[in-house]
Amino acid sequence: DAKTTQPNSMESNEEEPVHLPCNHSTISGTDYIHWYRQLPSQGPEYVIHGLTSNVNNRMASLAIAEDRKSSTLILHRATLRDAAVYYCIANAGGTSYGKLTFGQGTILTVHP
Amino acid sequence: KAGVTQTPRYLIKTRGQQVTLSCSPISGHRSVSWYQQTPGQGLQFLFEYFSETQRNKGNFPGRFSGRQFSNSRSEMNVSTLELGDSALYLCASSLETGSYTDTQYFGPGTRLTVL
Repeated sequence: DAKTTQPNSMESNEEEPVHLPCNHSTISGTDYIHWYRQLPSQGPEYVIHGLTSNVNNRMASLAIAEDRKSSTLILHRATLRDAAVYYCIANAGGTSYGKLTFGQGTILTVHP
Repeated sequence: KAGVTQTPRYLIKTRGQQVTLSCSPISGHRSVSWYQQTPGQGLQFLFEYFSETQRNKGNFPGRFSGRQFSNSRSEMNVSTLELGDSALYLCASSLETGSYTDTQYFGPGTRLTVL
């Protein structure tokens, strides 16, 4: 799996957009970019994933750079419930057999 | 549909003892992975089971072992516990369709404290 680099922490105000960056300069052509988040006292939960194109779902959007060396998770309107540790993962999916390589993640604080 | 369940949720053991943790995956999910989470090392992959076979293993000593049953339920065992084994142990299940995009669904974890 490719190494990912994220800022240690970020802050946002409620109802404002949040852009969480991730660098994955050694990503290979078959590595998918996954984002998970871990709310306090819970296990990680899936947020979104993508390969080359930008992706949207009900939780967030994922913007992937054209060279795929970086990506940005976008929360369109942060809520207090979005306060969590966000993990960016670049892995080979089906060949990794259940292994997700988590980095240190970004601690997101949302202010009311 | 019920989520991933782990039992027990909390456990206190002493050094030298052994412990068994249990994980019930989401119905229909065939792959079960285990992770250890500590403040110092973060989330680290232990191993993954599919069809009762271990397919992948992380960099942990042999004291850490696991198994999977025919109903996909899984257990992990840690023998000769050390203080450093104190951690949150997380189980995750996935459909395992062979797709690059299989999502893992995590349980709430078992908090193990070794005294």
